[in-house]
Amino acid sequence: EADIYQTPRYLVIGTGKKITLECSQTMGHDKMYWYQQDPGMELHLIHYSYGVNSTEKGDLSSESTVSRIRTEHFPLTLESARPSHTSQYLCASSGRETQYFGPGTRLLVL
Amino acid sequence: EDQVTQSPEALRLQEGESSSLNCSYTVSGLRGLFWYRQDPGKGPEFLFTLYSAGEEKEKERLKATLTKKESFLHITAPKPEDSATYLCAVQAQVILTERGYQKVTFGTGTKLQVIP
Repeated sequence: EADIYQTPRYLVIGTGKKITLECSQTMGHDKMYWYQQDPGMELHLIHYSYGVNSTEKGDLSSESTVSRIRTEHFPLTLESARPSHTSQYLCASSGRETQYFGPGTRLLVL
Repeated sequence: EDQVTQSPEALRLQEGESSSLNCSYTVSGLRGLFWYRQDPGKGPEFLFTLYSAGEEKEKERLKATLTKKESFLHITAPKPEDSATYLCAVQAQVILTERGYQKVTFGTGTKLQVIP
């Protein structure tokens, strides 16, 4: 079954640690996205990719970085986590207009 | 700038009590309007894409409609398992933004609670 996966689902980590949030999709979509969502707030785009070796920053400024070496894989990395990075991170992919989301990673930085 | 406003912010219904959620939008030419369901702590689950005024789509107890200024998500005879936050989003009919992507603008959602 075609789907989109995110790991870990939950992560509690100390300040200054490097973390990588994983996102993989089996739908063969070229476009992939990372959003940040705080409770009760709208989704904000932080990164997107149109294909392999194509990444751009979104509307919301973020200290994270992304890479797209394989079509199906779009990891997000924080080199040095801070409490301000505490949030839910959502990965999505799309073929045409409709974006399909993964289950999300809830990150807590102490 | 594209805008999406959802109302009400929260809605409490008795099981079986039908109602509608509203999504008002401002966009420079609509490419698509999307409805999602989001459960607490999870990613949005895709429900519908609507492309043009007058279009309607149905799925079980949900029916989405679209006009030139707003969309409605009608819930008929809701059940407790329909409790969730319902998100609306729009994508403008532009070629590309300055940063090279076709932006999707999300609303803040309507939190629906259906009481047995």
